[in-house]
Amino acid sequence: EDQVTQSPEALRLQEGESSSLNCSYTVSGLRGLFWYRQDPGKGPEFLFTLYSAGEEKEKERLKATLTKKESFLHITAPKPEDSATYLCAVQATSFQKLVFGTGTRLLVSP
Amino acid sequence: DADVTQTPRNRITKTGKRIMLECSQTKGHDRMYWYRQDPGLGLRLIYYSFDVKDINKGEISDGYSVSRQAQAKFSLSLESAIPNQTALYFCATSDPNRGRETQYFGPGTRLLVL
Repeated sequence: EDQVTQSPEALRLQEGESSSLNCSYTVSGLRGLFWYRQDPGKGPEFLFTLYSAGEEKEKERLKATLTKKESFLHITAPKPEDSATYLCAVQATSFQKLVFGTGTRLLVSP
Repeated sequence: DADVTQTPRNRITKTGKRIMLECSQTKGHDRMYWYRQDPGLGLRLIYYSFDVKDINKGEISDGYSVSRQAQAKFSLSLESAIPNQTALYFCATSDPNRGRETQYFGPGTRLLVL
């Protein structure tokens, strides 16, 4: 069964304090790994798709990396507006559907 | 204007009532999805549709039904609402490129069943 585990569940950072969020996955064959940002009461907002081990993608203060077993979302010098829940999802080669993790709630304090 | 819209945004109903949540999209995508989100459980797939004539059950379809009225419209119905269907409901669309799936989500409907 395809599974996604995200850690930590919650993370509190000071503004400018860099850190990483983890997404570990078990999938029969990876077609793609997706990162989303979700603000309270809103729908998930697409950030990145990673397709193969070794791939990296960046957007502003965010950088996503992928290995054969996990993905990291690195946040460099975060700002309070980066506070949100970050969701990870995988798509297996054998299925069309996404399997989501439960997310990491990030709070960045000024 | 938003690419994926959902109505209503908030809904309070009573146990046993039938309700419908609606989703419309202007992205031109063929694939549409309905998810529910509960604290600690993440997003779970209720139903999905790859085109107007193709509708499939997701992992938690019991108690729900759907209708794909057009490429742009996908509705979710709760035939007889119960309190454990209280949740956030999201519609999503996708247009897979070479089989790779990026899903785009609507703003959600917050449903409370009393």
